[in-house]
Amino acid sequence: EIVMTQSPATLSVSPGERATLSCRASQSISSHLAWYQHNPGQAPRLLIFDASTRATGIPARFSGSGSGTEFTLTISSLQSEDFAVYYCQQYNSRRTFGQGTKVEIK
Amino acid sequence: QVQLQESGPGLVKPSETLSLTCIVSGYSISSDYYWAWIRQPPGKGLEWIGTFYHSGNTYYSPSLESRVTISGDTSKNRFSLKLTSVTAADTAMYYCTGSSSGWDYYFDYWGQGTLVTVSS
Repeated sequence: EIVMTQSPATLSVSPGERATLSCRASQSISSHLAWYQHNPGQAPRLLIFDASTRATGIPARFSGSGSGTEFTLTISSLQSEDFAVYYCQQYNSRRTFGQGTKVEIK
Repeated sequence: QVQLQESGPGLVKPSETLSLTCIVSGYSISSDYYWAWIRQPPGKGLEWIGTFYHSGNTYYSPSLESRVTISGDTSKNRFSLKLTSVTAADTAMYYCTGSSSGWDYYFDYWGQGTLVTVSS
């Protein structure tokens, strides 16, 4: 099973600042990586697929990069609605998720 | 816009069967999406349970395959999950999802989730 490790577990950021989240795969997954945003009580939302392609309706301040085993989700200027938990998920071999990064207000 | 809504009992007794339904709106389950269930036990990670396609094809997690059935009701545009012989380890938030790319890709749409507790 491919293990996905996200860091940090919690990221404290001020509104308007940049947030950088990391996701590492235990073996190469090419670009078969998705990112999701989850606000508690709401449905999780697909942000990015194929490591860097924004899903429909996702603002340009969200960007994804990386390939192989190292991936990054960047939120260029945090808005109030962006404070949430973010998960990465690989779909190169079956599907597994990271444990999540909580982005909280600093 | 595809919307999904889970429903079902919030409490199930050990050894009984967990049954959940996902009502889909904004898209027909008979179309080209794959419909899946995912769960997240308290304090743990997300786990794919299984996927249903309108042709009747189903795909299940090997770790749950012996206890899981996912089926669809096209007349009511919904699909369901049955998990037999539940234990406390099956306590989790259960999400239904829709995927446009295939049964083993990412999940485009999610429901809000429903918490199921297994307890006597």
